Amino acid sequence: DTEVTQTPKHLVMGMTNKKSLKCEQHMGHRAMYWYKQKAKKPPELMFVYSYEKLSINESVPSRFSPECPNSSLLNLHLHALQPEDSALYLCASSQARGGSRTEAFFGQGTRLTVV
Amino acid sequence: SQQGEEDPQALSIQEGENATMNCSYKTSINNLQWYRQNSGRGLVHLILIRSNEREKHSGRLRVTLDTSKKSSSLLITASRAADTASYFCATDAPGNQFYFGTGTSLTVIP
Repeated sequence: DTEVTQTPKHLVMGMTNKKSLKCEQHMGHRAMYWYKQKAKKPPELMFVYSYEKLSINESVPSRFSPECPNSSLLNLHLHALQPEDSALYLCASSQARGGSRTEAFFGQGTRLTVV
Repeated sequence: SQQGEEDPQALSIQEGENATMNCSYKTSINNLQWYRQNSGRGLVHLILIRSNEREKHSGRLRVTLDTSKKSSSLLITASRAADTASYFCATDAPGNQFYFGTGTSLTVIP
């Protein structure tokens, strides 16, 4: 199984809503990532979990809250988002060997629209 | 971008021609990877080159890496219409940093 599964595929939420994005992989990867991608732009790194511990937070606003309940799951909790947060949110995972990453596997993303 | 720049931003070629795109990055790296993205969905890994390697081949793909210039290039030979996509380099840097370049949008005209 070389898949990263993201749910939901599409999400429309109001600025006062609370929602969560979910990501799951069963490849035994110990590094998991959240990226945000706006149209015609590259993915921007938001968070990195390494061995279930948050290792990078790229100065992301607190309205985005990541969680890694176990080595297969990664969540992104959303609260009080702004319309400019509308984007494609991508989850990825990779193995980490000797401090260097192998190829990353990406999910198909969640297309988020904040209204 | 968080890590590097790619050029050209957009490239349009005829089917059968070769496509070359370049990536420059900012910091020391463990490895550099190239990815492809269709229609704003998930990215697909194409090839990985380690910092101690200078060239690597995979099918119609050829990647070079020059760590002294902090640059890499991706060559796609004998392009096909199905190669139309956005291509991104990504650098694996020490400290769990994994950043993407600005991307090249490739259009292959049948």
